[in-house]
Amino acid sequence: KAGVTQTPRYLIKTRGQQVTLSCSPISGHRSVSWYQQTPGQGLQFLFEYFSETQRNKGNFPGRFSGRQFSNSRSEMNVSTLELGDSALYLCASYPGTGRFNEQFFGPGTRLTVL
Amino acid sequence: AQSVAQPEDQVNVAEGNPLTVKCTYSVSGNPYLFWYVQYPNRGLQFLLKYITGDNLVKGSYGFEAEFNKSQTSFHLKKPSALVSDSALYFCALQTGANNLFFGTGTRLTVIP
Repeated sequence: KAGVTQTPRYLIKTRGQQVTLSCSPISGHRSVSWYQQTPGQGLQFLFEYFSETQRNKGNFPGRFSGRQFSNSRSEMNVSTLELGDSALYLCASYPGTGRFNEQFFGPGTRLTVL
Repeated sequence: AQSVAQPEDQVNVAEGNPLTVKCTYSVSGNPYLFWYVQYPNRGLQFLLKYITGDNLVKGSYGFEAEFNKSQTSFHLKKPSALVSDSALYFCALQTGANNLFFGTGTRLTVIP
């Protein structure tokens, strides 16, 4: 099976712009979660989507949003970018049913905000 | 509230020696604990998890972890370190909502 893929791998944006990141989960996985990784804050949970519905949400401002399509692919959007949004954004997938399953992570999208 | 602490930012160990990466947790209710590893320019890879049962959990690449409820710890161990084990290791606590709370990470360096 192909792993979790994320596009693009690298992005450079300026303050005030918006950005959309994409994640394709492992085939058959219906849950996609997004995480932000920064040197200062570490790894923080953004949100989880399951069957096109947001199932859980972390403590991030409304500028961070996401969606999931019927094929389980997910996009994450950040509007009005701030310097502090520079980070590695990771998505993870798992089948979506059952509990305490391992999550499979993609390689991440590194976003730099100038 | 739940939290995970990894008290060591950096651990250095000689190749062939045993290694330990420490993790402590705080949670009301049962802990569901995971270890993930991150290699440069890669996403996280699952190593092992503790949900219930035996306190010694065996995982991938020869790693194991010992769950200790009284000390609220879940330390990662390996009997003999390899240079290829050098990476960033994360301990994580999973809530019933399926999202992971990560520790700050420990960078392991195995010296040849």
